[in-house]
Amino acid sequence: SQELEQSPQSLIVQEGKNLTINCTSSKTLYGLYWYKQKYGEGLIFLMMLQKGGEEKSHEKITAKLDEKKQQSSLHITASQPSHAGIYLCGAETPIKTSYDKVIFGPGTSLSVIP
Amino acid sequence: DTAVSQTPKYLVTQMGNDKSIKCEQNLGHDTMYWYKQDSKKFLKIMFSYNNKELIINETVPNRFSPKSPDKAHLNLHINSLELGDSAVYFCASSRFGGRTQETQYFGPGTRLLVL
Repeated sequence: SQELEQSPQSLIVQEGKNLTINCTSSKTLYGLYWYKQKYGEGLIFLMMLQKGGEEKSHEKITAKLDEKKQQSSLHITASQPSHAGIYLCGAETPIKTSYDKVIFGPGTSLSVIP
Repeated sequence: DTAVSQTPKYLVTQMGNDKSIKCEQNLGHDTMYWYKQDSKKFLKIMFSYNNKELIINETVPNRFSPKSPDKAHLNLHINSLELGDSAVYFCASSRFGGRTQETQYFGPGTRLLVL
């Protein structure tokens, strides 16, 4: 079965610094999602990547899916306290002929120190 | 205007009790999901329903029973609550489900604490 790993497990950065979170899959990724969870709150959708080499940006967050479609990175430029939270990557994995389910990585906890 | 809502937001109960968590989506989506997030923040799918039909049923104890009265609602009933059931339960929905590689919209979560 497909598994996702995330690194680092946790991250503490100074405000204004750049950072990268990685998500690695044991199998080819057909749909890779990035979600952010604020502490004690629900999940907020950030981006979805499908094609090898695809890169998407939203404000100061950029996510990329590698050419082999087994790894994705999430890069935050000039981090702010509002970026703090848990970042989860999720991947589509087939369960039946017509259906997929999304499995999630263990998450990366990000703290930004003002 | 809330897209996916869950009630209650917090639930504290005694071991052995039976409780329900409700979920409603007003997005007109066909598929709804229940996820469990444990104390280590690991998020795992439990169930999904597509147009009131059960699609995904992971290895969840049969004390957990989802009920979908219509495609806008997916409730989760838990019998004989155990300490290990303490977690955050998230409801989510997506427009079609299936293999469409689409975004899932999550509710705010229900924090269940079993004493």
